[in-house]
Amino acid sequence: GQQLNQSPQSMFIQEGEDVSMNCTSSSIFNTWLWYKQDPGEGPVLLIALYKAGELTSNGRLTAQFGITRKDSFLNISASIPSDVGIYFCAGPRHSGYALNFGKGTSLLVTP
Amino acid sequence: KAGVTQTPRYLIKTRGQQVTLSCSPISGHRSVSWYQQTPGQGLQFLFEYFSETQRNKGNFPGRFSGRQFSNSRSEMNVSTLELGDSALYLCASSWGQEIYGYTFGSGTRLTVV
Repeated sequence: GQQLNQSPQSMFIQEGEDVSMNCTSSSIFNTWLWYKQDPGEGPVLLIALYKAGELTSNGRLTAQFGITRKDSFLNISASIPSDVGIYFCAGPRHSGYALNFGKGTSLLVTP
Repeated sequence: KAGVTQTPRYLIKTRGQQVTLSCSPISGHRSVSWYQQTPGQGLQFLFEYFSETQRNKGNFPGRFSGRQFSNSRSEMNVSTLELGDSALYLCASSWGQEIYGYTFGSGTRLTVV
């Protein structure tokens, strides 16, 4: 189906380290989205990807739309304490006007 | 400009009761979507409204319902509450056609006891 499998489930890293997380699906997606959720808040869009093979950056964040259209990757370089939060991948539901979300990657950064 | 406003922020209800949650979208946004977030299931789509019409519905029982008013404000209602309905309920608004234009509110934390 359209289930999104996100890994790793959690990461505990030191400030300054680089981070990689990924998302896979058995279905093809035409759009991949990456969100971040801070404690007590709603998710905020970080990066949107629209084309297979696309590589897009937003500051220290870089995301790629997999060639097979069934996966996507998010990298964070030189992590800082404010990167703490839960990162979600998402793709459009086949029925439209809504998103399927991965279960999220919880990131903890120690100074 | 004001973001998506959800009220109340926190709510405690008893099993069997019903609850109504409110969402005021960003001014000009005509689409409102609702999601349920739990630790076990993550973010799950409930329903989406555009110009007072439900365009899409997730896989939730009929106890979950919603509506949208002419000013684009939306409410969702859960009847006969169960313990498993305890969750963070998130509302997102957008202009209408583009899912990437979602802006989420901070959510309503519902606890059923």
